[in-house]
Amino acid sequence: DSGVTQTPKHLITATGQRVTLRCSPRSGDLSVYWYQQSLDQGLQFLIQYYNGEERAKGNILERFSAQQFPDLHSELNLSSLELGDSALYFCASSVGTGAPQETQYFGPGTRLLVL
Amino acid sequence: QKEVEQDPGPLSVPEGAIVSLNCTYSNSAFQYFMWYRQYSRKGPELLMYTYSSGNKEDGRFTAQVDKSSKYISLFIRDSQPSDSATYLCYSGGSYIPTFGRGTSLIVHP
Repeated sequence: DSGVTQTPKHLITATGQRVTLRCSPRSGDLSVYWYQQSLDQGLQFLIQYYNGEERAKGNILERFSAQQFPDLHSELNLSSLELGDSALYFCASSVGTGAPQETQYFGPGTRLLVL
Repeated sequence: QKEVEQDPGPLSVPEGAIVSLNCTYSNSAFQYFMWYRQYSRKGPELLMYTYSSGNKEDGRFTAQVDKSSKYISLFIRDSQPSDSATYLCYSGGSYIPTFGRGTSLIVHP
């Protein structure tokens, strides 16, 4: 158990809908990362927050947004969902600012299915 | 071209075999290299990390980095069925984490 929690574990929704994924980092970790994992693309970095501020942005679509709250939990919002958004979404956390040498601790993921 | 290339496999080997998993990267700014292991329906977890060229050993696992050819390897000796998982290589040089697609390894008894 990494100490990172994600809810919900599974989510089934329809195209055009909006969903919110939630992540609680390990106790003491200040950075939160969001990833999308699919069979054809692998693990794709979406966005990273450090202590409430956006720190780095990857291949995140404009339909997606995220934030980190004062208690350090984070939410990833996915809107106008398309079939291609079906994937595993992982949250990870690390102790520092998100520097490349930091170990990331991954949650169990949220499996999203868009029908 | 992706910045980190990794053959997705699957790679199927008999128990006890030596396994070699490999990645190539294209960005010379990458200085930090890690291997994460991901079991089915779980999140990735750090297996090994190295910051320099050469070998790093931990039990049955050896991580190797060759910066001159931008090549990263993970060797597993005496492979066990419990090693069956997807292995993702990570290369870092900035605040944008970059993972390979992962190689699926199956060790059969």
